[in-house]
Amino acid sequence: KQEVTQIPAALSVPEGENLVLNCSFTDSAIYNLQWFRQDPGKGLTSLLLIQSSQREQTSGRLNASLDKSSGRSTLYIAASQPGDSATYLCAVSISGGYNKLIFGAGTRLAVHP
Amino acid sequence: EAQVTQNPRYLITVTGKKLTVTCSQNMNHEYMSWYRQDPGLGLRQIYYSMNVEVTDKGDVPEGYKVSRKEKRNFPLILESPSPNQTSLYFCASRREGFYGYTFGSGTRLTVV
Repeated sequence: KQEVTQIPAALSVPEGENLVLNCSFTDSAIYNLQWFRQDPGKGLTSLLLIQSSQREQTSGRLNASLDKSSGRSTLYIAASQPGDSATYLCAVSISGGYNKLIFGAGTRLAVHP
Repeated sequence: EAQVTQNPRYLITVTGKKLTVTCSQNMNHEYMSWYRQDPGLGLRQIYYSMNVEVTDKGDVPEGYKVSRKEKRNFPLILESPSPNQTSLYFCASRREGFYGYTFGSGTRLTVV
């Protein structure tokens, strides 16, 4: 059974720091991995999608990497800003049931001025 | 603007009173899903649909019904809501193939 774990559960940093959020999954048979951002009481905003054949994706200050063989993905946030404060979720789309996303519990990020 | 629209955003209802949460997408996506989000349990899939008139159960389908009569709409029906269905609900859609999901803004449901 696929399980997705995110570390750390919470993170508080000063503005300007470069950050690494970690996501691990137990079964490497995935179609893709998606990183989302969730603001309190709000919906999920897709940040980056990495296909299983890809190693990384970049969007602005965000970079996500994928190592399928070791079951790991990292989300790198450069030069963090207070507006980056949110919960970050990773989710894998699993083979043989790829209509379903398996989510991690999220990393709650607070960036203070 | 490409989006998934859910209504209502907030709903308080009483046990046993049938309700429907609507979901509509304007991207001509084939796949649509419903998820619920609960503290400590994360996001779990309730139902999904691969296309019109094709639906199937997710991980937590008990107490819910869905229908997909049109490609753009995927309503979630609670025939007899109970307090354990109090949750934050999300609708999501994606194109056929290895594409990412687009999520709606969520519906916060409270059943008293």
